[in-house]
Amino acid sequence: GAVVSQHPSRVICKSGTSVKIECRSLDFQATTMFWYRQFPKQSLMLMATSNEGSKATYEQGVEKDKFLINHASLTLSTLTVTSAHPEDSSFYICSAREISEYSPLHFGNGTRLTVT
Amino acid sequence: DAKTTQPPSMDCAEGRAANLPCNHSTISGNEYVYWYRQIHSQGPQYIIHGLKNNETNEMASLIITEDRKSSTLILPHATLRDTAVYYCIVRVATLGSRLTFGEGTQLTVNP
Repeated sequence: GAVVSQHPSRVICKSGTSVKIECRSLDFQATTMFWYRQFPKQSLMLMATSNEGSKATYEQGVEKDKFLINHASLTLSTLTVTSAHPEDSSFYICSAREISEYSPLHFGNGTRLTVT
Repeated sequence: DAKTTQPPSMDCAEGRAANLPCNHSTISGNEYVYWYRQIHSQGPQYIIHGLKNNETNEMASLIITEDRKSSTLILPHATLRDTAVYYCIVRVATLGSRLTFGEGTQLTVNP
């Protein structure tokens, strides 16, 4: 089955630094990837849609200059949390779909970000 | 995307069938019903999806009512590893359409 790999699984960083999270589709190509964020005891919230070769589309209330998304190839999207602050501590999850509108979204195992 | 309504929690005995309901009364004709689950601290796992016919795979069965306003996910023989939050989501099948997660149902399988 389709596999989405996310790295790192956990990261701890100091306030003010930047963190990059990678999302790879291992055995399929994905023109579109999605980035979600999940706070404790809450559901997943969509942050942005990452489009290969073009700019990402951000959901309302998500700062595009803070959460930089790059989708440089059909198998890799990255999310960079810039100038991280403790309130950015969360569980970040990426997902991707094979190039078919009927295919389900497949999710990575998430990245637990802790900003100290 | 159509809104879905699920009970916040359910319990099930190990080895018994778990039937998880979902209401999606405003579903459109071109929207599919998807089910995912999320085990604690992991990414969501795809289970099954359907449009109007009942579907079955190695994980579960999906029963969609004739008017498509509700559906039931059936785990035929629940195990302790099926304890998770189950999400019912409706989505138009277009390439760029996203999944919007609600609160889901916390299923607890008891020994």
